Amino acid sequence: EIVMTQSPATLSVSPGGRATLSCRASRGMSSNLAWYHQKPGQAPRLLIYTTSTRATGVPARFSGSVYGTEFTLTIDSLQSEDSGLYYCQHYHNWPLTFGGGTKVEIK
Amino acid sequence: EVQLVESGGGLVSPGGSLRLSCAASGFTFDTYNMNWVRQAPGKGLEWVSSIIASGPFIYYLDSVKGRFTISRDNAKNLLFLQMDSLRAEDTAVYYCARGQSRAPGGRLSWFDRWGQGTLVTVSS
Repeated sequence: EIVMTQSPATLSVSPGGRATLSCRASRGMSSNLAWYHQKPGQAPRLLIYTTSTRATGVPARFSGSVYGTEFTLTIDSLQSEDSGLYYCQHYHNWPLTFGGGTKVEIK
Repeated sequence: EVQLVESGGGLVSPGGSLRLSCAASGFTFDTYNMNWVRQAPGKGLEWVSSIIASGPFIYYLDSVKGRFTISRDNAKNLLFLQMDSLRAEDTAVYYCARGQSRAPGGRLSWFDRWGQGTLVTVSS
């Protein structure tokens, strides 16, 4: 099983600032990674797939990258609606697994 | 518009059974992998099961193997999760999610559309 470790657990960023979220895989998994955003009481929403491809309707201020087994989600020009939980998910093999999540707070 | 609507959740005693349903609309259901993902109260997301569009391939989380059964009715655009021998640790919101793969016919998916979820509570 590939274990996905997200950090930090909580991130507090000022409006207009940049948020950098990390997701480390326990082993190599090519670019088979997606990112989701979840607001309280709502279902998750797909943001990014294949490491860096934005889903339909996702603003360009969301970007994804990878270095080795460390995947990064960067949110530029942070807006109030960007608060909530962010999860990474690999789809390299079975079982599919998610990271534990990063909570983004707007200062 | 793509819609996924779950139903069938509720309160059940340990050892009991529930059958979840997911009604899909707005897309060609039989060409997509379909999945169940759960979220325990205050916890993160956990993949539960996948059923592949292009063949009789089904996958389960180890902790639900032998207890849960995923199935689909392509004629009625319905996805199901039969949950037997339920345990307290199965308590969660269960989401139906549409899968997308890198290549046509791929089995491993990310989830591009989600339902609103249905709550399953296992408690005496």
